[in-house]
Amino acid sequence: AQSVTQLDSHVSVSEGTPVLLRCNYSSSYSPSLFWYVQHPNKGLQLLLKYTSAATLVKGINGFEAEFKKSETSFHLTKPSAHMSDAAEYFCVVSDPSGYSTLTFGKGTMLLVSP
Amino acid sequence: NAGVTQTPKFQVLKTGQSMTLQCAQDMNHNSMYWYRQDPGMGLRLIYYSASEGTTDKGEVPNGYNVSRLNKREFSLRLESAAPSQTSVYFCASSESRDGSFEMNTEAFFGQGTRLTVV
Repeated sequence: AQSVTQLDSHVSVSEGTPVLLRCNYSSSYSPSLFWYVQHPNKGLQLLLKYTSAATLVKGINGFEAEFKKSETSFHLTKPSAHMSDAAEYFCVVSDPSGYSTLTFGKGTMLLVSP
Repeated sequence: NAGVTQTPKFQVLKTGQSMTLQCAQDMNHNSMYWYRQDPGMGLRLIYYSASEGTTDKGEVPNGYNVSRLNKREFSLRLESAAPSQTSVYFCASSESRDGSFEMNTEAFFGQGTRLTVV
């Protein structure tokens, strides 16, 4: 069975400073990994996904994530935060092992101050 | 360019009432899902349908039933609502032949239904 741990429930940054949202996963197989973003009172939007093609994955809005198998991590980063990045972020894992589905982390709320 | 459409967006129910949440997708996806989102819990899978005509239980199926009406539509029914079912419900779909997320597939989500049971 797969699982996801988002290490911080809240992260606060100032506008223009780097963002780091941490995610560790557990999976029996080579996983597919995703980051989704949810803005207040909105649905979920895919930021980026890892499917073994490349360990450094670039997503929308300047976000990227690096898959590190040895550390079982898939941390999300952005060099410079913008006010519009304030949202909740979910790390998600899927095992390609038959009738599997997405397993969500509990979410990290990103707060961006001026 | 509708994607995944859920109705209603908001609903208040009294304990014991029943209701059906509707979901439709226009992307010709095989797989559809119902999740609930509660504070600090992330999203938890209620039921999913890997293909038209099949449904399977997810992590938290108790108190719910589903119907995959056709390839486009997947409804979630609460037969006798309870306060513990107060939540935000999300429908999703993906181009996945067997319910698994193969390479280059992703889930597309609706805007959610905010349900309150009093």
